[in-house]
Amino acid sequence: AQRVTQPEKLLSVFKGAPVELKCNYSYSGSPELFWYVQYSRQRLQLLLRHISRESIKGFTADLNKGETSFHLKKPFAQEEDSAMYYCALSGPGGSYIPTFGRGTSLIVHP
Amino acid sequence: DGGITQSPKYLFRKEGQNVTLSCEQNLNHDAMYWYRQDPGQGLRLIYYSQIVNDFQKGDIAEGYSVSREKKESFPLTVTSAQKNPTAFYLCASTGLAGRELFFGEGSRLTVL
Repeated sequence: AQRVTQPEKLLSVFKGAPVELKCNYSYSGSPELFWYVQYSRQRLQLLLRHISRESIKGFTADLNKGETSFHLKKPFAQEEDSAMYYCALSGPGGSYIPTFGRGTSLIVHP
Repeated sequence: DGGITQSPKYLFRKEGQNVTLSCEQNLNHDAMYWYRQDPGQGLRLIYYSQIVNDFQKGDIAEGYSVSREKKESFPLTVTSAQKNPTAFYLCASTGLAGRELFFGEGSRLTVL
């Protein structure tokens, strides 16, 4: 069975501090990993996906197959990064049905 | 303006009543999903449909029903059998299996 674990319910940092939101997964095979973000009063939207290897709003995430992790990182947090972040996984083993983690609430203080 | 539209945004119902949440998309996506979002529990899959006239149960399907008569529409009925229906419901769609999900704004159901 595929599973996504986000160990932190809440992450609280000050503006300018580095941020790392953790995501670990369980999956047999090669999964596709995603980070979704939900800002206050906005719909859930894709932040980035591992196959794109891109940086969005200063965030990056590297797929580590050895550690089965896909942690989201940003070197200098901004107040506008405050949001709910969800890690998600899909793959052929699960008929490409996306599975989400429980989410991490990021609060960036001024 | 392409996207996913959910309605109503807020809904109040008495215990024992069935309610239907609407989800419409004009993205020409084949796959559609219903998730339930509860604080601290993330998104849990209720039902999904990968093609018209076909749908499958997700992890928490008990007390819910769906239909997929048209590609654009995937309504969710919360029945009186659902023990704890008060929640935020999200509809999503995707054009390619395993690719980006597009979400609606959600429907908040409160059962009094």
